[in-house]
Amino acid sequence: SYVLTQPPSVSVAPGKTARITCGGNNVGTKTLHWYQQKPGQAPVLVISYDSDRPSGIPERFSGSNSGNTATLTISGVEAGDEADYYCQVWDSTSDHMVFGGGTKLTVL
Amino acid sequence: EVQLVESGGALVQPGGSLRLSCVASGFSVSDDYMTWVRQAPGKGLEWVSVIYRGGDTKYADSVKGRFTISRDSSKNTLFLEMNGLRVEDTALYYCAKDLICTSWGQGTLVTVSS
Repeated sequence: SYVLTQPPSVSVAPGKTARITCGGNNVGTKTLHWYQQKPGQAPVLVISYDSDRPSGIPERFSGSNSGNTATLTISGVEAGDEADYYCQVWDSTSDHMVFGGGTKLTVL
Repeated sequence: EVQLVESGGALVQPGGSLRLSCVASGFSVSDDYMTWVRQAPGKGLEWVSVIYRGGDTKYADSVKGRFTISRDSSKNTLFLEMNGLRVEDTALYYCAKDLICTSWGQGTLVTVSS
């Protein structure tokens, strides 16, 4: 079955840029989505179709997807960005939805 | 405004059954893909099942043959029938709209324990 691999944690100072990766075999050929989940809350879609920002998501959030790695980039990180972030694809080979293991973003 | 409200979670013994519900508003569950995702305590997100617009259904290997997803258009409600529950099914169960999960409910907690 298809696997998405994320680093367990990423730390960044306020105002800096955070990059969270999501690795998978030829993941660049799939459409990938990113979710943010704050403690005690449901996930929220922050990037869809590799790089689209849903309404209400700040421009500081951007995404890219190529080759074997997708990246969520958060520019000018704020304390309120501290959360768990998950990548997700639909694997058409197995007809299964696949989530990455999640990355905890810590704002120092 | 899209809204999803789950219910039906409970404490159940191993081998038991539960039916989860997800009442939708702001759209029709029959006009969209609908997804169940779960999250075990302290763990990541795990896809459970999806029902397509046309009614076709797909399941994660871990629940196939035990769980059944369905919907009732008249009640605009999504269901997850869970049988043969195991300790490892303990999780917060979310329903979500579409394959890209554009909207989520707040979840309902299922605890499987003796």
